[in-house]
Amino acid sequence: SYVLTQPPSVSVAPGQTARISCGGNNIGSEVVHWYQQRPGQAPVLVLYDDSDRPSGIPERFSGSNSGNTATLTISRVEDGDEADYYCQVWDGPGDHVVTFGGGTKLTVL
Amino acid sequence: QVQLQESGPGLVKPSQTLSLTCTVSGDSISGGGYSWSWVRQRSGKGLEWIGNIYASGKTYYNPSLKSRVTFSVDTSKSQFSLNLRSVTDADTALYFCARQSEGDYGDHFDSWGQGTLVTVSS
Repeated sequence: SYVLTQPPSVSVAPGQTARISCGGNNIGSEVVHWYQQRPGQAPVLVLYDDSDRPSGIPERFSGSNSGNTATLTISRVEDGDEADYYCQVWDGPGDHVVTFGGGTKLTVL
Repeated sequence: QVQLQESGPGLVKPSQTLSLTCTVSGDSISGGGYSWSWVRQRSGKGLEWIGNIYASGKTYYNPSLKSRVTFSVDTSKSQFSLNLRSVTDADTALYFCARQSEGDYGDHFDSWGQGTLVTVSS
């Protein structure tokens, strides 16, 4: 099964840029999606198809994917961005299996 | 805007079957381009995809749970359901239902229920 590796935690000061990585074997050939989960809440899709933002997600959220690493970048970080972030890929149209990364806790200092 | 709501017992005894239902509102469960999924999250841990089901009844399951899981769908009630057999305390988790969207390049989850906590205990 495909394995996605995320750092357990990332810390950043308000107004700075946070970068959360998602590592996987040749992940650049996969399509990566990203979710934000605030404490006690359901996950929310913040990026799909590597770098597209759903309606309502600020432009501060961007993504890239190349080689063995996909990256979620949050610019001008705000207190409200403090949450867990998960990357996700879909193994289709083969086994149709969904894989999540282990999650990264973003702390705003 | 689609809404999903999980329902079911919050407590299940070991070795029994965990059964949950997700009710979909605000959109047709039979609409094209989507399937319907279950995702769980153990306390303090990450997200684990359990599987998904199409309105046609076609299912895909996480290989690690496939032997114990069965999904069903009732389009007349706009509901889909999860049955997880022979549960142990390792199945204690927050269970989410979600809409799995067939994106241009890969499936992702664009709507989620609030989650329901299921505890396995005697």
